[in-house]
Amino acid sequence: DAKTTQPNSMESNEEEPVHLPCNHSTISGTDYIHWYRQLPSQGPEYVIHGLTSNVNNRMASLAIAEDRKSSTLILHRATLRDAAVYYCILRDVGHYGGSQGNLIFGKGTKLSVKP
Amino acid sequence: EPEVTQTPSHQVTQMGQEVILRCVPISNHLYFYWYRQILGQKVEFLVSFYNNEISEKSEIFDDQFSVERPDGSNFTLKIRSTKLEDSAMYFCASSEDSREQFFGPGTRLTVL
Repeated sequence: DAKTTQPNSMESNEEEPVHLPCNHSTISGTDYIHWYRQLPSQGPEYVIHGLTSNVNNRMASLAIAEDRKSSTLILHRATLRDAAVYYCILRDVGHYGGSQGNLIFGKGTKLSVKP
Repeated sequence: EPEVTQTPSHQVTQMGQEVILRCVPISNHLYFYWYRQILGQKVEFLVSFYNNEISEKSEIFDDQFSVERPDGSNFTLKIRSTKLEDSAMYFCASSEDSREQFFGPGTRLTVL
């Protein structure tokens, strides 16, 4: 799976939008972009994933650059509960439905939310 | 909402002892995983399990480790002879189609 680059940390104010960037310049055409987060003292939690088009779900939005070499996770209104480490992970679509599928976690971005 | 559960939440053991960490994946899931996270470090993949056999394992998963699905609900990780460096949070995860993985709350293993 290709590598990703994320800032080590970001700060946000409560109730404001947060844009978490991820660079993946070596992404291949079959790589999905996944985001997970890990709240303090908890296991990782799936947030969202996409391939080419922007995606929205109840937790966040994922904006994918046209060349797919970068993406941005958008939290529309940050809450204190969103303080976590956010991981951007690439996974080859060939791993879906097959026997493989392990996630390769980097260091992620530690998001702090100020009240 | 269905969730992955893990027991115990905290396990303390002496170096050289065997430990078994238990996980109950979400019931209709087919893919199972173990990860670990040493304090202050990254989450690391250990092993994946599908169709009653190991499908992939990392370099960390050496002969001291084994996994088993002894019945239709539990998924266990056994460490035969624990070392100090095995101290970590161990996370179990499951998925329906190896796409979105659902993680449990983890077991904190402390080896003295």
